Amino acid sequence: DAGVIQSPRHEVTEMGQEVTLRCKPISGHDYLFWYRQTMMRGLELLIYFNNNVPIDDSGMPEDRFSAKMPNASFSTLKIQPSEPRDSAVYFCASSHPGHHTEAFFGQGTRLTVV
Amino acid sequence: QQPVQSPQAVILREGEDAVINCSSSKALYSVHWYRQKHGEAPVFLMILLKGGEQKGHEKISASFNEKKQQSSLYLTASQLSYSGTYFCGTRGDSGGGADGLTFGKGTHLIIQP
Repeated sequence: DAGVIQSPRHEVTEMGQEVTLRCKPISGHDYLFWYRQTMMRGLELLIYFNNNVPIDDSGMPEDRFSAKMPNASFSTLKIQPSEPRDSAVYFCASSHPGHHTEAFFGQGTRLTVV
Repeated sequence: QQPVQSPQAVILREGEDAVINCSSSKALYSVHWYRQKHGEAPVFLMILLKGGEQKGHEKISASFNEKKQQSSLYLTASQLSYSGTYFCGTRGDSGGGADGLTFGKGTHLIIQP
């Protein structure tokens, strides 16, 4: 398996533009997580899905952020409109269910909003 | 709530030992340890479930004290490859599902030759 695949790896955009980050989880994994990593706040959980259904989106910072999972092999995280403070590395991770399972992380998307 | 890790940073010489601590203010079901190298994704090290078990992975081991809501990661005879940022991730004792991990801010470990 190729692991969790994220695209793009790097994104530079101007303030006010819409940004869409993409994630393909590992086949067979029921859970998908979106994390944001910054120096100040570390790794923050934004939202997670179980069987394509959003379970907890309490970490989504503002209404500008939205996430979808239309099928088991694809998820998107959208920011509209983007702001400079959204600059961060966004990770997608997937796992089997259960407290004893590990999360496999993608390589991340480094977003810079100028 | 975000678990608290200590120390924030450690500088060691190759062959020395280190302990990284993770403390939570809520009851925990499991603690997960990850290591992240600069510019890369976090990589899983081990999971500890409530029950106070201790696990080992070569020269890296960990313990989990559920009563104290604390976990410690032990690195013995450190190698240059151990350098990176170590994160603990916690799951609350709410039962059911695989809710997302809440990560600490990380401990930066630098191993010098």
